[in-house]
Amino acid sequence: EVQLVESGGGLVQPGRSLKLSCAASGFTFSNYDMAWVRQAPTKGLEWVASISTGGGNTYYRDSVKGRFTISRDNAKSTLYLQMDSLRSEDTATYYCARGGAWGQGASVTVSS
Amino acid sequence: DTVLTQSPALAVSLGQRVTISCRASKSVSTYMHWYQQKSGQQPKLLIYSASNLESGVPSRFSGSGSGTDFTLTIDPVEADDIANYYCQQSNELPLTFGSGTKLEIK
Repeated sequence: EVQLVESGGGLVQPGRSLKLSCAASGFTFSNYDMAWVRQAPTKGLEWVASISTGGGNTYYRDSVKGRFTISRDNAKSTLYLQMDSLRSEDTATYYCARGGAWGQGASVTVSS
Repeated sequence: DTVLTQSPALAVSLGQRVTISCRASKSVSTYMHWYQQKSGQQPKLLIYSASNLESGVPSRFSGSGSGTDFTLTIDPVEADDIANYYCQQSNELPLTFGSGTKLEIK
């Protein structure tokens, strides 16, 4: 069974950093592109970033370019999202996704 | 960016057929996917590549379309189908989602 389990969410002040992790199991992690998708409270879904199988290619939405970094450790079957210079508008539930499989989400609240 | 437009809400009677539409601002070929999201849960993939039923999803769900116009059909609607439904395109980056259609029961 495919499982994606996010961790690392929490409350953080504006301008500070947070790193999310996503532990994958039930499939060969290194064979799949991976992505982060977020959902602000009561809002719709918004793609954040994607990474290729080997990690050599990364893609970001404009609003997070230069602030967020997606990475992966295939040996550990883990996906990461380093979030720097956080803003209130980054407040959301962050989902790790592999095609049709999504984790349960990690809640990030940016507030003073 | 490819903008996906969905109707905000639809009301349907149990046992009836409902069609949820999604219109793309430019052609996405068949790189369109449909998700169901129930309250407090993560999205669940229903249909991929416009018309392919994801494994384990009931055959009451079906998808069609290509280019700019797509539909998700549920027939018949059951009480468990109350949820938000999102379309998503993967034809180009940034990946984009529709704003969602809330399915309500009459």
